[in-house]
Amino acid sequence: QKEVEQNSGPLSVPEGAIASLNCTYSDRGSQSFFWYRQYSGKSPELIMSIYSNGDKEDGRFTAQLNKASQYVSLLIRDSQPSDSATYLCAAPPYGQGGKLIFGQGTELSVKP
Amino acid sequence: EAQVTQNPRYLITVTGKKLTVTCSQNMNHEYMSWYRQDPGLGLRQIYYSMNVEVTDKGDVPEGYKVSRKEKRNFPLILESPSPNQTSLYFCASSLYGQSSYNEQFFGPGTRLTVL
Repeated sequence: QKEVEQNSGPLSVPEGAIASLNCTYSDRGSQSFFWYRQYSGKSPELIMSIYSNGDKEDGRFTAQLNKASQYVSLLIRDSQPSDSATYLCAAPPYGQGGKLIFGQGTELSVKP
Repeated sequence: EAQVTQNPRYLITVTGKKLTVTCSQNMNHEYMSWYRQDPGLGLRQIYYSMNVEVTDKGDVPEGYKVSRKEKRNFPLILESPSPNQTSLYFCASSLYGQSSYNEQFFGPGTRLTVL
C-alpha cells in the first residue's frame, strides 16, 4: 500500500511567522504532489501543486519537492489566523492515473 | 459559478435501506471521484471515473457502487448501508484524470449517518 505521511500536529505558530508543513511519500515513482487546505467542517481546497524538484511559489505559499528524499513541504510565510486549518498532502501512485492518496493532514493553528 | 454540487448534504438512514448520493459538476471535467473522510483515517478514495462509462476502484470500494452515464454526474450508491459507512463523503472533479493534471475540486460534502 502506497503511503503519504504527515505529522498530525497540531502545529502552532505565532501570527507573522513562517509555518512549515512536511510530507513524505513511499512511492518513488510518484510524479505530482498536491497541497489542500481544509477548514473545519468544510471541503478540501487545492492551494498548491508541484511536479518537479525545487521550489514553487504562489503568494505567501511555497511548495518544495525533493524526489530523492521523497519529501514535499509547504511553507506559509507571514502566517495569519485565517491560515488556521488542516493541510492535506496528496500524491497519485505511479502508473495509477486517477488514484490519489492523501496524508492524514497537519492541523495548523496561527495565534494572534 | 463553477462548482461541484452534492445532494443531500445531510442524511440519516437505517441499515439496509438503499440510498443514492448525487454529485454533479458544471465545469465539463472528464474526471470525477468519491472519497470518504473519517477521524483518524483521513480522506480515502472510494471510486473514480476517468470519463463517461469508465470507472475504477479506489482504496475502499466495498459496499459502494457508482455509475458515469453522463459527463457531469457521478452518483454514489449504497445498496445496503451499514453503520460502518457512517462518514463524511466528498465528491471531486478535475479537468483530466492523469496524475500530473489531477488537480481536484471538491464538493461541499455529504454527512451520512447509518443507524
